Amino acid sequence: GEDVEQSLFLSVREGDSSVINCTYTDSSSTYLYWYKQEPGAGLQLLTYIFSNMDMKQDQRLTVLLNKKDKHLSLRIADTQTGDSAIYFCAEIEGIDKLIFGTGTRLQVFP
Amino acid sequence: DTGVSQNPRHKITKRGQNVTFRCDPISEHNRLYWYRQTLGQGPEFLTYFQNEAQLEKSRLLSDRFSAERPKGSFSTLEIQRTEQGDSAMYLCASSYQSGEQFFGPGTRLTVL
Repeated sequence: GEDVEQSLFLSVREGDSSVINCTYTDSSSTYLYWYKQEPGAGLQLLTYIFSNMDMKQDQRLTVLLNKKDKHLSLRIADTQTGDSAIYFCAEIEGIDKLIFGTGTRLQVFP
Repeated sequence: DTGVSQNPRHKITKRGQNVTFRCDPISEHNRLYWYRQTLGQGPEFLTYFQNEAQLEKSRLLSDRFSAERPKGSFSTLEIQRTEQGDSAMYLCASSYQSGEQFFGPGTRLTVL
């Protein structure tokens, strides 16, 4: 199956942490990705995690991977208004085909 | 700026017309991908090239769609006899081998 699922919407107050969740389907994916999409802009790769890791931290971003449950999460610490965007998780199928989730719209309010 | 560029950024056409989009990848990238994104959804893979060879096509790519990358540099995606269901954002990405895919800003197609 190719269904990568995400909750559709998340609203947080500026300065709080945001946690965006994703469940994926392909246990053979070697990498899992988080992309950010802002209005009028292309997709931007935020971070990725190798499938043999269970956590990766990159400045304000923390990725957690639970392979048993096929669950991926992205935590954004100290969320800012500039973090407002749509966030997509993605898995790799085959050599290079990215399979994206439906996206989570993050809204940050002051 | 040497990122991925796409032209046009917006295209409005009438049903039944043909349209062609262009993607210019990052110059040293040998792989080029096309994705389609409809409103409220994530991008869906359409096809990809390694150099000039088209290596994979999604079942989403009906026979009205054709993509080329004649010299292994820029690529074109043509849709013949457009239908309203073709309305979407068409995204192009490029990579060097299996490295990070860099996305262009997309071409938004509206079929009236």
